[in-house]
Amino acid sequence: LAKTTQPISMDSYEGQEVNITCSHNNIATNDYITWYQQFPSQGPRFIIQGYKTKVTNEVASLFIPADRKSSTLSLPRVSLSDTAVYYCLARDDKIIFGKGTRLHILP
Amino acid sequence: DAGVTQSPTHLIKTRGQHVTLRCSPISGHKSVSWYQQVLGQGPQFIFQYYEKEERGRGNFPDRFSARQFPNYSSELNVNALLLGDSALYLCASSPGPGVTSGRNYEQYFGPGTRLTVT
Repeated sequence: LAKTTQPISMDSYEGQEVNITCSHNNIATNDYITWYQQFPSQGPRFIIQGYKTKVTNEVASLFIPADRKSSTLSLPRVSLSDTAVYYCLARDDKIIFGKGTRLHILP
Repeated sequence: DAGVTQSPTHLIKTRGQHVTLRCSPISGHKSVSWYQQVLGQGPQFIFQYYEKEERGRGNFPDRFSARQFPNYSSELNVNALLLGDSALYLCASSPGPGVTSGRNYEQYFGPGTRLTVT
């Protein structure tokens, strides 16, 4: 199973860059890594997806090393509204969200 | 364009009853997946349907069933409700087969149905 492991929680301050790392030691050759964001009482929202190296969009960057056993979601200059739970997913026969990382942004 | 819609928003049921939850995917999306999310946990995969066929099933008892209609909307049915079925039920749509196609992993989630079993 392509199980993922990520920190349970993180705190940061407004304006800082936040990096959340996820390990996925058993990721399969064809699998992509996907990150979602979830606010309380809402469904998860797609942030970014990648296969290797670096992917960047208007919201975040995703860094994936050559061995693909981990990935790092980078959120530049966070604000209070980035307080949420962030999930890392690697493809599996069953979609496993895990418990995610609770990111708390402080003023 | 409208996003994924789910109904009802909230629901209160008694143990032993059954419930039907409904989901309408984004226009053009042919895949619908269902998730259960209990407080403090990540969403747990229940079912995935693509083109009206079941493409994936999570570790849920047979009390849980689902189907997808020709217009790609979907229903999730839960029989013989237990207190532990109280959760937020999320529906997600995607353009492709979803679960088994790696790249088509981007899913668009609805707001969910909050089910309370008393």
